[in-house]
Amino acid sequence: ELKVEQNPLFLSMQEGKNYTIYCNYSTTSDRLYWYRQDPGKSLESLFVLLSNGAVKQEGRLMASLDTKARLSTLHITAAVHDLSATYFCALRRGQIQGAQKLVFGQGTRLTINP
Amino acid sequence: NAGVTQTPKFQVLKTGQSMTLQCAQDMNHEYMSWYRQDPGMGLRLIHYSVGAGITDQGEVPNGYNVSRSTTEDFPLRLLSAAPSQTSVYFCASRLLLGDTQYFGPGTRLTVL
Repeated sequence: ELKVEQNPLFLSMQEGKNYTIYCNYSTTSDRLYWYRQDPGKSLESLFVLLSNGAVKQEGRLMASLDTKARLSTLHITAAVHDLSATYFCALRRGQIQGAQKLVFGQGTRLTINP
Repeated sequence: NAGVTQTPKFQVLKTGQSMTLQCAQDMNHEYMSWYRQDPGMGLRLIHYSVGAGITDQGEVPNGYNVSRSTTEDFPLRLLSAAPSQTSVYFCASRLLLGDTQYFGPGTRLTVL
């Protein structure tokens, strides 16, 4: 059974600081996703990581994937208040092409203080 | 494009009542799915569909029914609501071979 664990679950940080959210998973998968959710809102897709060593960056967010360690990281550089949200990682599982399902981590609630 | 739409936004039910959560998408996506979100547990898959007439169970299907008569619509039915079904429900869709999944705005359901 695929298990996805994020840490930390809660993170409070100051503007301007750097920090990393970790996503560990238990079995192999060919896709890892990062989503953002603002309070009371839906999920917004941030990144899709496809292969070992993949790195993607958008603004102050950078995601990477190490399939050998079964670990993905979401790094926040020089945090700003607008990045306050809950961040989820999710992995795709299933053998049948097109019918794969997503398994989500618990989410990391990030609060950035001015 | 309206994307993925869900109705209602909020609903309060009494234990034992039935209701249908509606989900529609206008992107011609084959794959549609329902998730529930509970505090501290991320999103869990309830049911999914890979096309009209084809549905299958996810992680937490008990107490929920689905059907898919058209590509656009994927309703979720609660036949006899229980307090344990109090949650936020999200519908999502994607192309069958696509990577990007689009989520609806969610329905907040409370069962008393």
